[in-house]
Amino acid sequence: NAGVMQNPRHLVRRRGQEARLRCSPMKGHSHVYWYRQLPEEGLKFMVYLQKENIIDESGMPKERFSAEFPKEGPSILRIQQVVRGDSAAYFCASSPVGTGPGLAGNSYNEQFFGPGTRLTVL
Amino acid sequence: GDSVTQMEGPVTLSEEAFLTINCTYTATGYPSLFWYVQYPGEGLQLLLKATKADDKGSNKGFEATYRKETTSFHLEKGSVQVSDSAVYFCALSDFTGGGNKLTFGTGTQLKVEL
Repeated sequence: NAGVMQNPRHLVRRRGQEARLRCSPMKGHSHVYWYRQLPEEGLKFMVYLQKENIIDESGMPKERFSAEFPKEGPSILRIQQVVRGDSAAYFCASSPVGTGPGLAGNSYNEQFFGPGTRLTVL
Repeated sequence: GDSVTQMEGPVTLSEEAFLTINCTYTATGYPSLFWYVQYPGEGLQLLLKATKADDKGSNKGFEATYRKETTSFHLEKGSVQVSDSAVYFCALSDFTGGGNKLTFGTGTQLKVEL
């Protein structure tokens, strides 16, 4: 069973260009999370999606960033008109169901992380 | 809001030394606590977890105890190996209100030398 796949692993863009980051969740997983790691910082939550729905986008910048998880195909994180401050590592994680206490008690549904996409904006 | 503070690295140890990486948290609800490990070039892997106060999570010789009174979740290992060299992240998830996101600390790089 392949793990979470992200591509490209490294992406270089010039200021003003668009960046598209792809995430293929593990087989059978319908929940996807995106996190951003700026240099010298921890991972910050960006957005949580289920198939065709955005559940929580409280961590997404208000402008230039968007995310989708279509019925078919990978989840896409799109950054329009990139700026140097967008340079970071972007991690995707997936889980089979929503993460959190399960119906049967306090079970935790693990988020499985991909290897990340390192975006460099020149 | 929720936050996680962990000790800065890098931490450099000799093989078979004792490891402690400190982690404290701030949360409004009743969080679950986690340690993730990231090996070079790879994604984060869940190392261990604890979902309620006084729980001890353990895996691969690592352990951490959920201390509500001190809001801490320190990672320990009695005897580290070179293969433990990685970046370790403390994290929490507060499911109050149905939230699903993880809040991470900044990570602590561990280097183990022969």
